[in-house]
Amino acid sequence: AQTVTQSQPEMSVQEAETVTLSCTYDTSESNYYLFWYKQPPSRQMILVIRQEAYKQQNATENRFSVNFQKAAKSFSLKISDSQLGDTAMYFCACYSGGGADGLTFGKGTHLIIQP
Amino acid sequence: DSGVTQTPKHLITATGQRVTLRCSPRSGDLSVYWYQQSLDQGLQFLIQYYNGEERAKGNILERFSAQQFPDLHSELNLSSLELGDSALYFCASSPLWGESQFFGPGTRLTVL
Repeated sequence: AQTVTQSQPEMSVQEAETVTLSCTYDTSESNYYLFWYKQPPSRQMILVIRQEAYKQQNATENRFSVNFQKAAKSFSLKISDSQLGDTAMYFCACYSGGGADGLTFGKGTHLIIQP
Repeated sequence: DSGVTQTPKHLITATGQRVTLRCSPRSGDLSVYWYQQSLDQGLQFLIQYYNGEERAKGNILERFSAQQFPDLHSELNLSSLELGDSALYFCASSPLWGESQFFGPGTRLTVL
């Protein structure tokens, strides 16, 4: 079994600022994947970024980057130059199980970007 | 648009009834996953199908069942519905296991 913990229920920053969302996870698998998903008010689940556990290099996607600390089982998301459209729930998720499993999600962080 | 479609978008029904939710995965994706999102339970994995066969089960109730058809679309059947089954039900698909999962828009189920 795996667990994902997001300790920040809500965060608020000003537009154009940089914000970091925290996530810790626990899994007994050696091969796993980590994800951040965004859920705006429309409730659509949108993939933001993916990290393979075997890769040491941190994943980046435009303004989004992660800080993957494997030994600490930490996977934080950094959003640079935040925009009003970044306002959403952000979910951290872990996938392992050798292909026979689903995503395990954290409880989410509600991010509010203030104008 | 993720390429995953789900119907219907909204469903309102009564306790004790049975409903069927439908999902069409992205073109070429063989794996389909079902998730439930509720206020008290958060996002929970229900079940996975791969190329027509059940691959993994999560927190799926015995009253719920699913299948994946030869054309790879999937259906989630919910029976003997209870008030607590009211939730947003997502379908997601991926090409192979371990690949990124892309989510459909969800079906909002309300049980009265």
